[in-house]
Amino acid sequence: AQSVTQPDIHITVSEGASLELRCNYSYGATPYLFWYVQSPGQGLQLLLKYFSGDTLVQGIKGFEAEFKRSQSSFNLRKPSVHWSDAAEYFCAVGDSGYSTLTFGKGTMLLVSP
Amino acid sequence: DADVTQTPRNRITKTGKRIMLECSQTKGHDRMYWYRQDPGLGLRLIYYSFDVKDINKGEISDGYSVSRQAQAKFSLSLESAIPNQTALYFCATSDWTKADEQFFGPGTRLTVL
Repeated sequence: AQSVTQPDIHITVSEGASLELRCNYSYGATPYLFWYVQSPGQGLQLLLKYFSGDTLVQGIKGFEAEFKRSQSSFNLRKPSVHWSDAAEYFCAVGDSGYSTLTFGKGTMLLVSP
Repeated sequence: DADVTQTPRNRITKTGKRIMLECSQTKGHDRMYWYRQDPGLGLRLIYYSFDVKDINKGEISDGYSVSRQAQAKFSLSLESAIPNQTALYFCATSDWTKADEQFFGPGTRLTVL
């Protein structure tokens, strides 16, 4: 069965600083990988996804993520964080055979002035 | 108008009551999902449906049932609510051609007293 680990429960970053959120997955085949963001009181919005091809994927709001098969990782990055990026971020792995997603437990991003 | 809607958005009920949460979508997707979110646990899959005649149990289906009334409607029922079913519930949809990319509703916050 697939699984996702997000090692950091909370991260605090200063506004304007760079950000990296970690995600490690376990899956037997080539994974489908996703990052979602949940703003307070909102549903989940897809930031970006990796299915195949270029291992560096670009998403919305200036986010990018890099798939590293050797490390079973799919870390999310942003070069300069804005206060509006404060939210909870979820990494997910998809089972292409059954079309279900397995989510990590989430990382809460706090942005300090 | 929102593509995926959930009603009600908030509900407080008592132990033993029957509760139905409803989800409707205008995206034309064939696949629909119900998740629950608990603090620190991420999202866990309760049930999913690939079409009107197809219902599948997810990771945590005990205590829940579902009904797929039409392609656009997928309801989640708690036959006899208990306090540990207090959570945030999300509905999601996906298209079979992009099966792992899911779109989420705004969520229903359920409190069982």
